Amino acid sequence: QVQLVQSGAEVKEPGASVKVSCKTSGYTFSSYSIHWVRQAPGQRLEWMGRVNAGNGDTRYSQNFQGRVTITRDTSASTDYMEVSSLRSEDTAVYYCARSQSGSYMDVWGKGTTVTVSS
Amino acid sequence: EIVLTQSPGTLSLSPGERATLSCRASQSIGRYISWYQQKPGQAPRLLFSDASSRATGIPDRFRGSGSGTDFVLTVTRLEPEDFAVYFCQQYANSPRTFGQGTKVEIQ
Repeated sequence: QVQLVQSGAEVKEPGASVKVSCKTSGYTFSSYSIHWVRQAPGQRLEWMGRVNAGNGDTRYSQNFQGRVTITRDTSASTDYMEVSSLRSEDTAVYYCARSQSGSYMDVWGKGTTVTVSS
Repeated sequence: EIVLTQSPGTLSLSPGERATLSCRASQSIGRYISWYQQKPGQAPRLLFSDASSRATGIPDRFRGSGSGTDFVLTVTRLEPEDFAVYFCQQYANSPRTFGQGTKVEIQ
């Protein structure tokens, strides 16, 4: 069946970077985009960006421009999302989710908790 | 960006009762809305796409409706496993945006 398996929880100090992985299986990797969404405590879900199916183009929310990088390893059917210059407000659960191009997100990973604390 | 406003924030109901959840968009999004159910510690589960297309395996007591700016998710008879948080998401425009969620809790 379709699965998106994310890497484990992380604790980082302010100013550091974190890289979260999303390993996919059960479908044709290149046929679906992967989105990254986060949810800070008490906040609504927030879209961060996505990597396109097929050509691997990336697009980011203006709220994260310059601090977030999404990459794709097609050989491993895995996508990565890195956030740099972490601050306490980046403490959140980070999700990956797949979609066909321009469409709804149909399968989500279970989330990765990132805690930013000194 | 498009703002989605869900109401109510919390719905306190008993099993067997009807739940009606609203999602209002700040501008017209046609039918480009999806609904999700989320339970603590679990991944969000797709319920509906395109406002009213039920996802695979979703019981028919769940119904999605609406278009333009006003959308409704209805659970006709709540089962114990339906008590959860529900949120909507629009994919008409970038950036994708989400509602703040409605918690359906046991009264």
